[in-house]
Amino acid sequence: EEELVQSGGGLVQPGGSLRLSCVASEFAFSSDWMHWVRQAPGGGLEWVSRISPDETYTTFADSVKGRFTISRDNAKNILYLQMNSLRVEDTAVYYCARAKTVSGIGRYFDPWGQGTLVTVSS
Amino acid sequence: DIEMTQSPSSLSASVGDRVTITCRASQTISKFINWYQKKPGKAPKLLLYGAASLQSGVPSRFSGSGSGTDYSLTVTGLQPEDFATYYCQQTYNTPYTFGQGTKLDVK
Repeated sequence: EEELVQSGGGLVQPGGSLRLSCVASEFAFSSDWMHWVRQAPGGGLEWVSRISPDETYTTFADSVKGRFTISRDNAKNILYLQMNSLRVEDTAVYYCARAKTVSGIGRYFDPWGQGTLVTVSS
Repeated sequence: DIEMTQSPSSLSASVGDRVTITCRASQTISKFINWYQKKPGKAPKLLLYGAASLQSGVPSRFSGSGSGTDYSLTVTGLQPEDFATYYCQQTYNTPYTFGQGTKLDVK
């Protein structure tokens, strides 16, 4: 079964840094675009970032641009999200997800990681 | 950015009911819309992609339709496990924006 298992997260002070990891199994990780999505407490889902299979292309939401970086290690099947200059408003559960493209129909996110909580507070 | 306006924000229904949730995009998204079910403490679960394609393993009581800017998710014959929050998502352009969510609870 295709699976994503996340680690990292925790409590960090404003201005601090944290790195999230997401390990993929049972699918061709090196062939797929990967994404991060977050959900603030009591809020909705917010798309955060994406990375191309070969790391050539990365895209970020305006809310995290310049502070977060996304990367991957295709040899180890691991996706990363490096979060710097963290703000209180970055507090959320962060999810990794694989994007699957179906030609002529669209692209969707599946599977998803189990989520990891990041709390930014002094 | 493409804005996804989802309605209603909340909905009360009973087991066996038929319910419909709608999403309106701020521009045409050519059926690049997905629907997810979200339960507290769980990852989002993909229900439908490409507006109307049912994800493998998802019960056929879930269906989707729409085109251009207007899309809908319908659940026919609600089951107890269907009470959750539902989100639409456009994957036409980045940022891949989500609707605000519809919380479906028991009447």
